[in-house]
Amino acid sequence: KAGVTQTPRYLIKTRGQQVTLSCSPISGHRSVSWYQQTPGQGLQFLFEYFSETQRNKGNFPGRFSGRQFSNSRSEMNVSTLELGDSALYLCASSLTSGGAMTDTQYFGPGTRLTVL
Amino acid sequence: QKEVEQNSGPLSVPEGAIASLNCTYSDRGSQSFFWYRQYSGKSPELIMFIYSNGDKEDGRFTAQLNKASQYVSLLIRDSQPSDSATYLCAVNMGAGGTSYGKLTFGQGTILTVHP
Repeated sequence: KAGVTQTPRYLIKTRGQQVTLSCSPISGHRSVSWYQQTPGQGLQFLFEYFSETQRNKGNFPGRFSGRQFSNSRSEMNVSTLELGDSALYLCASSLTSGGAMTDTQYFGPGTRLTVL
Repeated sequence: QKEVEQNSGPLSVPEGAIASLNCTYSDRGSQSFFWYRQYSGKSPELIMFIYSNGDKEDGRFTAQLNKASQYVSLLIRDSQPSDSATYLCAVNMGAGGTSYGKLTFGQGTILTVHP
């Protein structure tokens, strides 16, 4: 079974621009979570989508948004990029996210975003 | 107090030794606990998950959970140089909506296994 895929793998943008990242979950997985990883803050939760609905959101500004499509693929968007948005953006998929054993998350390879 | 704390590293062990990685968490209601391994420049890779008190073994890896003490650990037996990586403890905290899809991670422990 194919793993989680993310595109693009690398991005370079300038301040003020916007960016869209894509994530395709493992086949059959309906929950997609997004994380930001930086050397200073570690891995931080952005948001989670399940059946096209955002069910949970981390403590990030409104510039960070996302959506999920009917095939469970997900995108996240960052508008008005700031230097501090430079990070590795990871998505993870799981069967569900109800706290049962099906909530085990599997990570994609990540998108490395550099903001200049 | 951080929500998930891991023992400070880096941790260095000789090849063949047992590496012990520890993690404490703040939310007593937490239900799901995970260990991930992350090689430099790569994404986190799931090693094990544990839900019940006690030990869970998978090959050279043993996870231990003590909910009363809010403590979870990972033992790596017969450590190999290829085990050298950052080990991340992750906890699904809270209940209901606040827990959906959200893992709270520790800062990670860097493990080096030297020949």
